[in-house]
Amino acid sequence: SQELEQSPQSLIVQEGKNLTINCTSSKTLYGLYWYKQKYGEGLIFLMMLQKGGEEKSHEKITAKLDEKKQQSSLHITASQPSHAGIYLCGAYTGTASKLTFGTGTRLQVTL
Amino acid sequence: DVKVTQSSRYLVKRTGEKVFLECVQDMDHENMFWYRQDPGLGLRLIYFSYDVKMKEKGDIPEGYSVSREKKERFSLILESASTNQTSMYLCASSTQGQGNTEAFFGQGTRLTVV
Repeated sequence: SQELEQSPQSLIVQEGKNLTINCTSSKTLYGLYWYKQKYGEGLIFLMMLQKGGEEKSHEKITAKLDEKKQQSSLHITASQPSHAGIYLCGAYTGTASKLTFGTGTRLQVTL
Repeated sequence: DVKVTQSSRYLVKRTGEKVFLECVQDMDHENMFWYRQDPGLGLRLIYFSYDVKMKEKGDIPEGYSVSREKKERFSLILESASTNQTSMYLCASSTQGQGNTEAFFGQGTRLTVV
């Protein structure tokens, strides 16, 4: 089983609506990464969170890491078609060199 | 610009063939990774390497092997390709750290085994 679980698995929202994607770990995270993937392409780095309670924003995307460092959320405000894609959370688990990812969330934004 | 380059975007191979997927990075990164991506399963780690000639099994290593003879190159080998290895394969690299280093990804290789 994967150590990082994401929810929901897929999401369809109307343009302009807000949405939240969650990423949960069974272990304490020492760094949590959010990536976006356009269909059929490589992953693009969005943000990294390290400290409990940390929050970062980039344009209309905000990511938070909870105090216990076991859960992160990604929030998109006023979604646009350009936000469509697959969002993945990742973390180094086990050893400092083993980078694993969650199950991914496929986001569609309708007009 | 940092770059991770995968040798092919699309590949079609026959069952039983030996398949090589190549990945090259130009950032002098110590860590390199191979993942496969399937719908609903996210990215699953096949193998990773933290130094030349060093390799570690990821979560799904069965049916795969890897080679890292030079720091910049990490090869994924399918010894005898099977149809259940049809997938998108992604390579990534990162520098050594304490769980706080960003990974850079290649564009992916979509492999179809027929």
